[in-house]
Amino acid sequence: EIVLTQSPGTLSLSPGERAILSCRASQSVSGRYLAWYQQKPGQAPKLLVYGASNRAAGIPDRFSGSGSGTDFTLTISRLEPEDFAVYYCQQYGSSPRTFGQGTKVEIK
Amino acid sequence: QVQLQESGPGLVKPSETLSLTCVVSGDSMKNYYWHWIRQPPGQRLEWIGYIYSSGSINYNPSLRSRVTISLATSKNQFSLNLTSVTAADTAVYSCARAPWGPVAPFDYWGQGALVTVSS
Repeated sequence: EIVLTQSPGTLSLSPGERAILSCRASQSVSGRYLAWYQQKPGQAPKLLVYGASNRAAGIPDRFSGSGSGTDFTLTISRLEPEDFAVYYCQQYGSSPRTFGQGTKVEIK
Repeated sequence: QVQLQESGPGLVKPSETLSLTCVVSGDSMKNYYWHWIRQPPGQRLEWIGYIYSSGSINYNPSLRSRVTISLATSKNQFSLNLTSVTAADTAVYSCARAPWGPVAPFDYWGQGALVTVSS
């Protein structure tokens, strides 16, 4: 199975700053089938990006995804107060689907 | 607005069967893939398996011998059974929907239900 490793584990930033989250796969992710989710305490995860770079419906354009093969990135161009949360990457091109361990974006 | 809600016992004894139901509201279950995912305390999310609205299924090989996912479209719900549970099965269990095919992300999730395995 494909192992996804996210870095860093925790990102301490201030509102207005740029956040760059990394997701590295142990083998190539077929078809760029890589998604990013945001999860806040007590809430269900929310789909942000799918197909590595396609924003889900209703997601602000400050969120952007990029990458292919084994290296993927989620960039939040200017952090808003509501963006402080945990972010997960997931590959869904190979079975079993797998997730990264998460990156927590916290207020500095 | 599509909503998914998990329900079931929060405490299960070792060696018994864990049973959860996910009720779907706001849309039909037809033509979607319905998934279960879990997250043990301090660990990463783990995909358990899915059932398609036609009834086809796919399970994580690591759990295949103990898992059954079933569908009740007339009730707009689907269920998870996990047999012979141990403490390692303690986790938050979530249901989710995947649109447009077997290769799709999860566009809606439930909030999750904590299930503890303990005597």
